[in-house]
Amino acid sequence: GEDVEQSLFLSVREGDSSVINCTYTDSSSTYLYWYKQEPGAGLQLLTYIFSNMDMKQDQRLTVLLNKKDKHLSLRIADTQTGDSAIYFCAEGTSGGYNKLIFGAGTRLAVHP
Amino acid sequence: DTEVTQTPKHLVMGMTNKKSLKCEQHMGHRAMYWYKQKAKKPPELMFVYSYEKLSINESVPSRFSPECPNSSLLNLHLHALQPEDSALYLCASSHNGLEGDTQYFGPGTRLTVL
Repeated sequence: GEDVEQSLFLSVREGDSSVINCTYTDSSSTYLYWYKQEPGAGLQLLTYIFSNMDMKQDQRLTVLLNKKDKHLSLRIADTQTGDSAIYFCAEGTSGGYNKLIFGAGTRLAVHP
Repeated sequence: DTEVTQTPKHLVMGMTNKKSLKCEQHMGHRAMYWYKQKAKKPPELMFVYSYEKLSINESVPSRFSPECPNSSLLNLHLHALQPEDSALYLCASSHNGLEGDTQYFGPGTRLTVL
């Protein structure tokens, strides 16, 4: 079956790097996504990675994909208080339709 | 324009009311989605429309009725809801709804059923 797991909480000091981890089960997923949700708001697409890639970098964000272990991570460099939010990992299912399976979300708290 | 808009932002309704949620996008996307998100939970897919046709219904109760009048608009008609239906309802759109298509979300409508 399809399942995505994330740790629920991460606390970091402002200026440090944050690493949010995710594991997924569908080895045929072609795309994996990271979304950010601030309190009371919708989901903001941060970045995504195609399954034949190992790494993708976009400014302060670095995504690493270990397809063998079905492990995805999001690193945020120089974490700021504005990065405090819930981060959802999602896998795009295979089989023709674009269905996203979300993890439970990781709450990132950034403190001074 | 890369925005998905949703109205209203907040909605309070009784169990006997009929109301509608509205979603709009002008990105030329041909797939639109409804998700339900309970507090402290991830979004759960409800419906997918692709080229104005319903392509996925995730066994949603019939008190939720989606409608896609054209490729830019998506409605969710609500009737005889239960208090447990209180949640954030998120709309999303994507290019064509096929595998690997990136979904863009609106800000959501926070629904409270009394």
